[in-house]
Amino acid sequence: AQSVTQLGSHVSVSEGALVLLRCNYSSSVPPYLFWYVQYPNQGLQLLLKYTSAATLVKGINGFEAEFKKSETSFHLTKPSAHMSDAAEYFCAVSDGGGFKTIFGAGTRLFVKA
Amino acid sequence: DTAVSQTPKYLVTQMGNDKSIKCEQNLGHDTMYWYKQDSKKFLKIMFSYNNKELIINETVPNRFSPKSPDKAHLNLHINSLELGDSAVYFCASSQSKGNTEAFFGQGTRLTVV
Repeated sequence: AQSVTQLGSHVSVSEGALVLLRCNYSSSVPPYLFWYVQYPNQGLQLLLKYTSAATLVKGINGFEAEFKKSETSFHLTKPSAHMSDAAEYFCAVSDGGGFKTIFGAGTRLFVKA
Repeated sequence: DTAVSQTPKYLVTQMGNDKSIKCEQNLGHDTMYWYKQDSKKFLKIMFSYNNKELIINETVPNRFSPKSPDKAHLNLHINSLELGDSAVYFCASSQSKGNTEAFFGQGTRLTVV
C-alpha cells in the first residue's frame, strides 16, 4: 500500500523568502511522485513529477523537488516566494503500474507582503 | 480549448434528488477518474476507468454510478443525494497508468440542502 504525508497543513512565508513544503511517502515499490498546485476555485495542475530519472526535478514557476530514497521524502522548494504562489499544494504518489494515485492532505501556502 | 471539461460547475440540490455530472476530455487519454474533495481539501479517488472499463471503485456507496460511453467521456450519476455528498467533484484524465500526470477539470461544487 502507498501513502503520502504532508507535514504542515499551513505554511506562511514572506515574499522573497524560501518556500519549503514537506512531503514523505511510503511505497513498497519504486514510486512515481508528483506535486500539484490548486489555485482557488480551480482544478489541480501539475508542478513537477519524479519518475526514476534525475533525483532533482525542476518544475514550472521556479519550483523544484528532490527525491531522497533514504529519507522517503520529496520536498518541494522555491528560492524566492512570490505573491502569486499562494495556493494549495498537493504531494501525490503512484506505483506506476496501477490506476490509483494517492494524494496527501495538502499544504496551504500563504505569502505575506 | 479546454482539455478536461466538467458540467455543471455549480450544483445546488435538495436531499433525495438524483443528479448527474458530465466530464469530457479532448486529450486522447485512455484513463479517466473521478475524485471527491471535501471541505478540508482532502482529495480521494472514487473511480478509475481505462478504455471505458471500470478499474477502480474505492468503497463508494452504490448511490454513485459512473458511466463511460466512450473513452473521452466519464459521467457521474448520484442517486438519493445526502447532505454528506456535498463536496467538490473533480474529473481527471491521464495518458495511461499512474506513472503519468493527471489533467484535472475545474471541478463541480455540489451542495446538498
